Amino acid sequence: DIQLTQSPSSLSASVGDRVTITCRTSQSISSYLNWYQQKPRKAPKLLIYAASSLQSGVPSRFSGSGSGTDFTLTISSLQPEDFATYYCQQSYSTPGTFGQGTKVDIK
Amino acid sequence: EVQLLESGGGLVQPGGSLRLSCAASGFTFSSYAMSWVRQAPGKGLEWVSGLSGSGGSTYYADSVKGRFTISRDNSKNMLYLQMNSLSAEDTAVYYCAKCSNGDYVYYWYFDLWGRGTLVTVSS
Repeated sequence: DIQLTQSPSSLSASVGDRVTITCRTSQSISSYLNWYQQKPRKAPKLLIYAASSLQSGVPSRFSGSGSGTDFTLTISSLQPEDFATYYCQQSYSTPGTFGQGTKVDIK
Repeated sequence: EVQLLESGGGLVQPGGSLRLSCAASGFTFSSYAMSWVRQAPGKGLEWVSGLSGSGGSTYYADSVKGRFTISRDNSKNMLYLQMNSLSAEDTAVYYCAKCSNGDYVYYWYFDLWGRGTLVTVSS
């Protein structure tokens, strides 16, 4: 199975900060990489698919980049509703493994 | 309204069985692959099993292979997960998730999730 490693595992940030989360895969997956946001006691929500495509309805402050083995999720200006846990997921092969998550909380 | 609604979770003893159901509405169910994704308490997401829109292709995580069986009834817009030989490690919230494609090929992703159903395996 393809392994995904996110960094950092957690971070503290302030409203308005630029936040970057990294996802590294154990083998090259081209652009088969998705990002999800999960708030406590809620289902995950798709943010980015195919590494850099913004899901409909998701604010433009969210962006994704990367290909091969290294990927990045960026929040350009953190908003109060963005405090959550973020997961990357590969769709290059089944099982569609997830990263361990990055928790973003309030500084 | 486009939605997924899981049911069937609960408390079960180790070694027991449970059948989860997911009712889909608001989209052409048979056109999309579906999956079960679980989340153990305080842990991350784990893809458990997937099934193509036609039901012809199935996928399982190694952790559940041989114990869990995924199925669907396209006439009823229902997805199921039969779970046997349950252990404490299977304790989790189980989410039903809709795939963007008819099968797990090309650029697929989960674009719709249910609210989840809690499965607790304990004596």
